[in-house]
Amino acid sequence: EAGVVQSPRYKIIEKKQPVAFWCNPISGHNTLYWYRQNLGQGPELLIRYENEEAVDDSQLPKDRFSAERLKGVDSTLKIQPAELGDSAVYLCASSLGGQLMGETQYFGPGTRLLVL
Amino acid sequence: GNSVTQMEGPVTLSEEAFLTINCTYTATGYPSLFWYVQYPGEGLQLLLKATKADDKGSNKGFEATYRKETTSFHLEKGSVQVSDSAVYFCALSYNAGNNRKLIWGLGTSLAVNP
Repeated sequence: EAGVVQSPRYKIIEKKQPVAFWCNPISGHNTLYWYRQNLGQGPELLIRYENEEAVDDSQLPKDRFSAERLKGVDSTLKIQPAELGDSAVYLCASSLGGQLMGETQYFGPGTRLLVL
Repeated sequence: GNSVTQMEGPVTLSEEAFLTINCTYTATGYPSLFWYVQYPGEGLQLLLKATKADDKGSNKGFEATYRKETTSFHLEKGSVQVSDSAVYFCALSYNAGNNRKLIWGLGTSLAVNP
């Protein structure tokens, strides 16, 4: 079974440029998460989807970040314009869904973003 | 509010040493607890989990017991290997209204020397 796929793995851009990340979750997983992980810290949730609906985007900086999951499968996360402080690893995760308390999230390898 | 506190690293051990990484939590209700591991250059992977008090999660020689009386979920391994070198994250899952939240510790880096 294929895991969570993310692309690109690495991205270097100049500040004020746009950037987009793509994620394809595990087949059959209804819930998709985007996280940001800064060096030496745990992941911070940016947005969570249940199918195509964004059910928790309270931590998403909506002035520059946007996300979509149009068909309830793969998803893109966009930053426009990027700032120096956006340099981080952007992680995508998926889970079966259904609000189960012990539900396991499966993570992709992440996209390492460097903003110069 | 709910929180997770894990011991600061880095932790450096020799091969075959005993490992303990402490994790304590603050939560209302009955959260689920997880340990995730991040090997160099790889994504986060679930190592083990426990969904109710006194449950013991185990995997790859690692164990952690959900202790409600001490609000702890310490990770242990009897004999570490060089291949266990990674960053270990303790995490807590709880329901907040209609949302399920996952809170992460800051991670503990483990280096095992041959």
